[in-house]
Amino acid sequence: AQKITQTQPGMFVQEKEAVTLDCTYDTSDQSYGLFWYKQPSSGEMIFLIYQGSYDEQNATEGRYSLNFQKARKSANLVISASQLGDSAMYFCAMREGPSGTYKYIFGTGTRLKVLA
Amino acid sequence: SAVISQKPSRDICQRGTSLTIQCQVDSQVTMMFWYRQQPGQSLTLIATANQGSEATYESGFVIDKFPISRPNLTFSTLTVSNMSPEDSSIYLCSVVVSGETQYFGPGTRLLVL
Repeated sequence: AQKITQTQPGMFVQEKEAVTLDCTYDTSDQSYGLFWYKQPSSGEMIFLIYQGSYDEQNATEGRYSLNFQKARKSANLVISASQLGDSAMYFCAMREGPSGTYKYIFGTGTRLKVLA
Repeated sequence: SAVISQKPSRDICQRGTSLTIQCQVDSQVTMMFWYRQQPGQSLTLIATANQGSEATYESGFVIDKFPISRPNLTFSTLTVSNMSPEDSSIYLCSVVVSGETQYFGPGTRLLVL
């Protein structure tokens, strides 16, 4: 069974609009971490935002926010005021396991295209 | 975070040959990983590089095909051995500096002909 599910293979958004990229996860661990990464066409993986399972507040980093709904096991990424440079692949990931033996699981990704 | 470099950034190789990819970090890190990303796919963990001991490989990856060295806390190598076109991928190293956030190197784009 997929532990990280990203149901949107591709998304379009108009420049300056907000967009939500969906991510659901499945784990039986009480302690886990959720991450979003951006991968432009250059191939590098850029860390965007992190949410710990015990964090009660939704994480925010500049134009990025993570809509964490623990009961629904969802961790959606919201990008506000989209820019052309936001066009890229976006991966949701989850950290499982105790400290020192972390394992990271990635979703299949969502390709975002920002339209001028 | 950490500054992570990888060499080479890209290479084109002939089938049957081997390529060694280097990963250098600007600070000592406890956890270091190697991933493969095949064209159009997500990331797949190859192994955890353990300092001073054998790497821990994921299911489907073996040491004979992907030998890994990690002589210290700032450096690791991944060798892709006896390459075939199916090995054409982006290879990424990553580290956990503090907490649990994973940071990635710039990747090595490998094309096997």
